[in-house]
Amino acid sequence: GAVVSQHPSWVICKSGTSVKIECRSLDFQATTMFWYRQFPKQSLMLMATSNEGSKATYEQGVEKDKFLINHASLTLSTLTVTSAHPEDSSFYICSASSASGSHQETQYFGPGTRLLVL
Amino acid sequence: KQEVTQIPAALSVPEGENLVLNCSFTDSAIYNLQWFRQDPGKGLTSLLLIQSSQREQTSGRLNASLDKSSGRSTLYIAASQPGDSATYLCAGDTGGGNKLTFGTGTQLKVEL
Repeated sequence: GAVVSQHPSWVICKSGTSVKIECRSLDFQATTMFWYRQFPKQSLMLMATSNEGSKATYEQGVEKDKFLINHASLTLSTLTVTSAHPEDSSFYICSASSASGSHQETQYFGPGTRLLVL
Repeated sequence: KQEVTQIPAALSVPEGENLVLNCSFTDSAIYNLQWFRQDPGKGLTSLLLIQSSQREQTSGRLNASLDKSSGRSTLYIAASQPGDSATYLCAGDTGGGNKLTFGTGTQLKVEL
């Protein structure tokens, strides 16, 4: 089956620093990748959608200059949290799909990255 | 704005019981619907995907159905086991483009 990995699995950083999270599709080409955020005891909220080779589309209320997304290849997308603050502490999960905007394709989810900003 | 509600929010049952988890969308226009399982501190495991032309899907002890007219889905778990204990999330693509809106989740505990 399709496997998506994330690195790192958890990270602790100081306030004001930047953190990069990687999302990789290991055995398929991911035309589209999605980034979600999950706060404790809450559900997943979509942050942005990225298609390989083009700029990411951000959901309303998500600051594109703070959450930088790069989808430079068909197997890798990165999310960089710039100038992280304690309120950015959350569980970040990516998913990948081999279809370009098709609603018929399953999204395969990564294991998540837990970020704690001190 | 699409909102997805799952009922109940939490459920505790003895082993062996059959149970039903519910999911409802404020906007009933749903392209497809997925049920996921999430263990504490972990990512998501896809359980079942009901595509736009389907009404239900089955996998082992799990059966999911989708009523598009009402915007409701149910996940039926037969003969529950302690290993089924987890949070169950439904998610629907309601705008096309494969963007999922997630439900609030049902936290299930199956006791020995």
